[in-house]
Amino acid sequence: DQQVKQNSPSLSVQEGRISILNCDYTNSMFDYFLWYKKYPAEGPTFLISISSIKDKNEDGRFTVFLNKSAKHLSLHIVPSQPGDSAVYFCAAKASSNFGNEKLTFGTGTRLTIIP
Amino acid sequence: NAGVTQTPKFQVLKTGQSMTLQCAQDMNHEYMSWYRQDPGMGLRLIHYSVGAGITDQGEVPNGYNVSRSTTEDFPLRLLSAAPSQTSVYFCASGTRSNQPQHFGDGTRLSIL
Repeated sequence: DQQVKQNSPSLSVQEGRISILNCDYTNSMFDYFLWYKKYPAEGPTFLISISSIKDKNEDGRFTVFLNKSAKHLSLHIVPSQPGDSAVYFCAAKASSNFGNEKLTFGTGTRLTIIP
Repeated sequence: NAGVTQTPKFQVLKTGQSMTLQCAQDMNHEYMSWYRQDPGMGLRLIHYSVGAGITDQGEVPNGYNVSRSTTEDFPLRLLSAAPSQTSVYFCASGTRSNQPQHFGDGTRLSIL
């Protein structure tokens, strides 16, 4: 049972436009969410996170939105740049288990920025 | 600033062979974990450790052993490799808080 779902395996966006990546979750115990970016032959690198006490978190060109009632989060990248082409993973955890940092990952979305 | 170091980067094994994937971190992180990444499956947690001497199972632990004798090292052992264990393996480390985990660059393992 996939508790974190990224239903779009791939997404292509023109350079300069907005990229929107979506993620849905089913486990109501999840209260902390992260986005990781992964280039080929490298490990995932942390991009941005959000706690369930917020509905938005911004960091430069990257904004994550959380809709708890819909169990949905999205990552917005504005403006999109060629270096943003990568696979993006959504991850979630239940921080109520203090010290247990187990992350549940989605299957990833491959973002391609078209110059 | 090494971060999380995984060795080897690539390995080919025959069915039934054993091997150890190494993971070391130099950030004094309490938490370390192993994930495997398979096509269409995302990253799945194999085993994790919240400190030296403490390990526990993740989502897909069968066929793998771990130990944590030091804070820095968290090796993953395959006792008898099977083709189903062909995957890319990632080690991660972090603090026991809502801080992001740091990942190594992975070990690509093929079992023939």
